[in-house]
Amino acid sequence: DVKVTQSSRYLVKRTGEKVFLECVQDMDHENMFWYRQDPGLGLRLIYFSYDVKMKEKGDIPEGYSVSREKKERFSLILESASTNQTSMYLCAITAAGPAYNEQFFGPGTRLTVL
Amino acid sequence: AQSVTQPDIHITVSEGASLELRCNYSYGATPYLFWYVQSPGQGLQLLLKYFSGDTLVQGIKGFEAEFKRSQSSFNLRKPSVHWSDAAEYFCAVGGRENTGFQKLVFGTGTRLLVSP
Repeated sequence: DVKVTQSSRYLVKRTGEKVFLECVQDMDHENMFWYRQDPGLGLRLIYFSYDVKMKEKGDIPEGYSVSREKKERFSLILESASTNQTSMYLCAITAAGPAYNEQFFGPGTRLTVL
Repeated sequence: AQSVTQPDIHITVSEGASLELRCNYSYGATPYLFWYVQSPGQGLQLLLKYFSGDTLVQGIKGFEAEFKRSQSSFNLRKPSVHWSDAAEYFCAVGGRENTGFQKLVFGTGTRLLVSP
């Protein structure tokens, strides 16, 4: 069974705080993704990583950064949290190879910024 | 650029009735198409995918979808809905970027409600 875990299910932070969201996988997959999910907007890609220390911007990278120091761990960082970053954050992984490879998702972190 | 349209935000279906969720996509090359389901409080789970071959694809939990290139559609169907099917359903189109990396673009989702 594929396992993608996210460090917290629920998180409440204050405006201006630095926030770390962690994603850990046990599948040795190369590709890892961070999405945010908002009602009426579906899932939007923030960043992805195809290898250790490698990253690419997605569609909405502003206000976020990422870190991938080890293959199994991909962190999303909110340098200075703002209320418009209140959202559900989903991590996903997929093996390198065909573009039709399945993405496996973690359970999500619901972040509230006050 | 890739895009996906799910025109129905909510759908209510009686238990035992048939279901069809609509999905239209825009993609310049041969698309890879996916349906994911998200139960309350959960991550997304793959129901089925199309990447080549037979245009009628069977998935888990009794779902199927049909790829129609002429209509740019990939509608999800189930002949008889169960109460446990109440969830949010996402259609996605995938492909390989110019950079060589895989990318999925998701629709905005359709929330399915099942009435007794």
